[in-house]
Amino acid sequence: GAVVSQHPSWVICKSGTSVKIECRSLDFQATTMFWYRQFPKQSLMLMATSNEGSKATYEQGVEKDKFLINHASLTLSTLTVTSAHPEDSSFYICSARAATDPRVPSSYNEQFFGPGTRLTVL
Amino acid sequence: QKEVEQNSGPLSVPEGAIASLNCTYSDRGSQSFFWYRQYSGKSPELIMFIYSNGDKEDGRFTAQLNKASQYVSLLIRDSQPSDSATYLCAVKGTYKYIFGTGTRLKVLA
Repeated sequence: GAVVSQHPSWVICKSGTSVKIECRSLDFQATTMFWYRQFPKQSLMLMATSNEGSKATYEQGVEKDKFLINHASLTLSTLTVTSAHPEDSSFYICSARAATDPRVPSSYNEQFFGPGTRLTVL
Repeated sequence: QKEVEQNSGPLSVPEGAIASLNCTYSDRGSQSFFWYRQYSGKSPELIMFIYSNGDKEDGRFTAQLNKASQYVSLLIRDSQPSDSATYLCAVKGTYKYIFGTGTRLKVLA
């Protein structure tokens, strides 16, 4: 099956520092990657959609200057949390969707989740 | 109205029973629907997806979709303690997936 990795799996940093999280699709090419954030006992909230080679599309309320997303290749997307603050502490999860198979209606292409990165900002 | 609604639970069922999880959605144009299982501290894992009205079975899991009622459900037969987790319903819109808040299931041994 499709495998998506994230690195690091957890990170603790001081307030004001920047943290970069990597998301890699290991055995398939991902034209689209999604970045989610999940606070305790809440559901996944989509932060942004990242398409390879183009600018990310951010959801309403997500600051694009604070959460920098780069999708430089078909297997790698990065999320950088700039000037992190304690309220940014959360579980960050990426997902990747494979390049569209013309034999399959695009509506049915599923996304594969990475294992998540737990960020704690002190 | 939330776009995807689920009862947060917890839903408690005895081991061996059928667990029934429900989800309603607001966008009539939604085309595909997913059920994910999420253990505490872990990322979601896909259990099933469904896109046609009716039932879809996979092992102990059955997904049911009723587009007219904008309702999708997940049945878990012969529930096991290892099924205890939060179950997330996700609906795929035009380009993104919208998740419900999840239903916490507890299977009692």
